[in-house]
Amino acid sequence: AQSVTQLDSQVPVFEEAPVELRCNYSSSVSVYLFWYVQYPNQGLQLLLKYLSGSTLVESINGFEAEFNKSQTSFHLRKPSVHISDTAEYFCAVSVRDDKIIFGKGTRLHILP
Amino acid sequence: DAGITQSPRHKVTETGTPVTLRCHQTENHRYMYWYRQDPGHGLRLIHYSYGVKDTDKGEVSDGYSVSRSKTEDFLLTLESATSSQTSVYFCAISDPAGLTDTQYFGPGTRLTVL
Repeated sequence: AQSVTQLDSQVPVFEEAPVELRCNYSSSVSVYLFWYVQYPNQGLQLLLKYLSGSTLVESINGFEAEFNKSQTSFHLRKPSVHISDTAEYFCAVSVRDDKIIFGKGTRLHILP
Repeated sequence: DAGITQSPRHKVTETGTPVTLRCHQTENHRYMYWYRQDPGHGLRLIHYSYGVKDTDKGEVSDGYSVSRSKTEDFLLTLESATSSQTSVYFCAISDPAGLTDTQYFGPGTRLTVL
């Protein structure tokens, strides 16, 4: 069975600084990988996903994630964060025709 | 935004009472899901549906039942609520491609069991 681990429960970072949110997964077969974002008092929204092809995927608001099969990782990065990026970020993994498993989440705190 | 609504948005109830949460979609998506979100646990799947009257259990299904009599509605029932079921409940739907595709989430229902 697959699993996903988000290594940091909270990440504080100064505004305009870079950030990396770490995600590692465990699976014996090929996986699909997702990052979801949850803004305060809202539901989750898809940020980006990797299904196949290029290992670097990007979102429309400047985030990117790279699928690293050898490291079994799918870390999320942004070169310069904004106060509006304050949210909780969830990494998720699934295999074909199986359910999506979510990590426990990482709270991103943007410091002024 | 995907057309997903949840009702009620907030509910306070007492231990031992039955509770039904409703998820309604206007997207005609085949798959629907119920999750609960708790601090330190992320999202955990309770039940899901892959069609009208077709449902299956998720990771934390004990104490919950579901029904889906129409494509657009997916009901979650707590037959006898307990304090451990205090949580935020999210409904989600996914594209016709199925379980591995993007899931779209509703706004959530905050349930408190006293």
